[in-house]
Amino acid sequence: KAGVTQTPRYLIKTRGQQVTLSCSPISGHRSVSWYQQTPGQGLQFLFEYFSETQRNKGNFPGRFSGRQFSNSRSEMNVSTLELGDSALYLCASSRSDSEAFFGQGTRLTVV
Amino acid sequence: AQSVTQLDSHVSVSEGTPVLLRCNYSSSYSPSLFWYVQHPNKGLQLLLKYTSAATLVKGINGFEAEFKKSETSFHLTKPSAHMSDAAEYFCVVSALNSGNTPLVFGKGTRLSVIA
Repeated sequence: KAGVTQTPRYLIKTRGQQVTLSCSPISGHRSVSWYQQTPGQGLQFLFEYFSETQRNKGNFPGRFSGRQFSNSRSEMNVSTLELGDSALYLCASSRSDSEAFFGQGTRLTVV
Repeated sequence: AQSVTQLDSHVSVSEGTPVLLRCNYSSSYSPSLFWYVQHPNKGLQLLLKYTSAATLVKGINGFEAEFKKSETSFHLTKPSAHMSDAAEYFCVVSALNSGNTPLVFGKGTRLSVIA
């Protein structure tokens, strides 16, 4: 059974640009959540999508957005990148009320 | 609201000796509690979970954790450390029956295993 797949694994972007990250959940999982991991702030919740609807949202600015498609694949977008957006972005999928399974993450570096 | 405090940022043990990683939680609701492990440049792997069934939870790779409501603790233990256990460990809480999101993570405990 394939795990959670995140693409790309590594990205380097320039300040002011925008970026789109992709997450393919485990087959049958309808919930996809995104987390940001930085050395200073640790792991923080960005948002969660379930059946193409945003169900929960963390405390991040509007530059961070996401969406989910009918096949449960999800994308997150960050516009007007700042140096502080450099982080490991982790995606997790789950069935309703079950544990979350994480992908290997996308390492974003903003220069 | 939920929160988690991992009491040690770094724990160092010798190979073959017991491991204890400490975690205290705070939750307004009946909590779900998890321990995840992260090896360098890897994603997070679930070690074990507590969801209001047995208070002693057994996980993978010989790890276990005990839920103590009176102490609001969920400490992770292993009888004998192996070199491959060296990693970052995260204690995580969420509200039961919330779809397990959002997950609230502790700051992590880095486990070093000395040969």
